[in-house]
Amino acid sequence: GNSVTQMEGPVTLSEEAFLTINCTYTATGYPSLFWYVQYPGEGLQLLLKATKADDKGSNKGFEATYRKETTSFHLEKGSVQVSDSAVYFCALSGGGSNYKLTFGKGTLLTVNP
Amino acid sequence: DVKVTQSSRYLVKRTGEKVFLECVQDMDHENMFWYRQDPGLGLRLIYFSYDVKMKEKGDIPEGYSVSREKKERFSLILESASTNQTSMYLCAAGSASYTFGSGTRLTVV
Repeated sequence: GNSVTQMEGPVTLSEEAFLTINCTYTATGYPSLFWYVQYPGEGLQLLLKATKADDKGSNKGFEATYRKETTSFHLEKGSVQVSDSAVYFCALSGGGSNYKLTFGKGTLLTVNP
Repeated sequence: DVKVTQSSRYLVKRTGEKVFLECVQDMDHENMFWYRQDPGLGLRLIYFSYDVKMKEKGDIPEGYSVSREKKERFSLILESASTNQTSMYLCAAGSASYTFGSGTRLTVV
């Protein structure tokens, strides 16, 4: 079955530091890949997505590239802010007619001023 | 964008009670989902629905049931609440990507 493995947290960075959160996946076929973010006390929000190999998703300064050869979708940001403190989830959709999402366990990011 | 509303942010229920968690979407999406979120375990799919009166089990359906009588409403039912069902419950709707509700934090005492 499908699975997502992302780096365990928590991750603590200083403001303006470079961020990488690793995500690898196992899936049959050609999944779509997603990063969701959950701010404290809220539900999940879609941060970015990529639907095919070599696509780059980007939003709010975050980027991730769909690497089929390494089955990875690592999240990066060049300069984090305190407001980026949240839990980040990597997810994949197996496609087909049901669009079920499989999530990683989440990575807590704390950015200190 | 689809908006997803969960009726309660916080609930406290007693062991053995029947509990209803309600979720409503404001657009015409066929797909709706219920997840639970627990520390260290991430999000786990309980049930999902492709259309009215259609439902399928997710990865952890035991102890839960669902109801989808109208397209916009997807209810999660805990038939007899137990303490191990204390969790954050998240409803979502969508197809290629989801819109999530704000969650219901359920405590079973």
